[in-house]
Amino acid sequence: GDSVTQMEGPVTLSEEAFLTINCTYTATGYPSLFWYVQYPGEGLQLLLKATKADDKGSNKGFEATYRKETTSFHLEKGSVQVSDSAVYFCALSDSNTNAGKSTFGDGTTLTVKP
Amino acid sequence: KAGVTQTPRYLIKTRGQQVTLSCSPISGHRSVSWYQQTPGQGLQFLFEYFSETQRNKGNFPGRFSGRQFSNSRSEMNVSTLELGDSALYLCASSLTSGGGYEQYFGPGTRLTVT
Repeated sequence: GDSVTQMEGPVTLSEEAFLTINCTYTATGYPSLFWYVQYPGEGLQLLLKATKADDKGSNKGFEATYRKETTSFHLEKGSVQVSDSAVYFCALSDSNTNAGKSTFGDGTTLTVKP
Repeated sequence: KAGVTQTPRYLIKTRGQQVTLSCSPISGHRSVSWYQQTPGQGLQFLFEYFSETQRNKGNFPGRFSGRQFSNSRSEMNVSTLELGDSALYLCASSLTSGGGYEQYFGPGTRLTVT
């Protein structure tokens, strides 16, 4: 079945450092890929998405490129801020199967120190 | 446009009781999915409803059930509560069913079973 593997956390960075959170996936079809962010006490918010190979999703300085050859969708940001501290989830949704279901990674907790 | 709303936000129940959680999707969204989030198991898919029909179901016992009304609002019910049902229950809405669409999450209902 579908699965998502995320880089284990927690990750602690200083403000303005470069961020990479690794994500790889296994899917039988042609999935769309997503990054969601969860702040304390809240639900998940969509951060960015990519729907086909070589697409780059971007939002609020975060970027991720859909790499079909390496089945990866790594999240990057050039300069993190304290306000980026949150839990980040990589997810996939397969357009051919599993209607309405997203498969999530375990989440990576990011703490940014001033 | 108003986001996904879930009620109640917090709930404390006793083992053996039953509970009903409610979710109102974003206006115009017809697909509603439910997820259980726990520290140990992460985000697990419960089920998805579209046009009042259950389209997909995760690997949860029959104690977990749901329904969707004609206005797309959805409820989930858990009967004979167990301590292990303590979790954050997240509802997500999507414009339509089928994979590949991003989901918009509500803030969740925090259920504690004592």
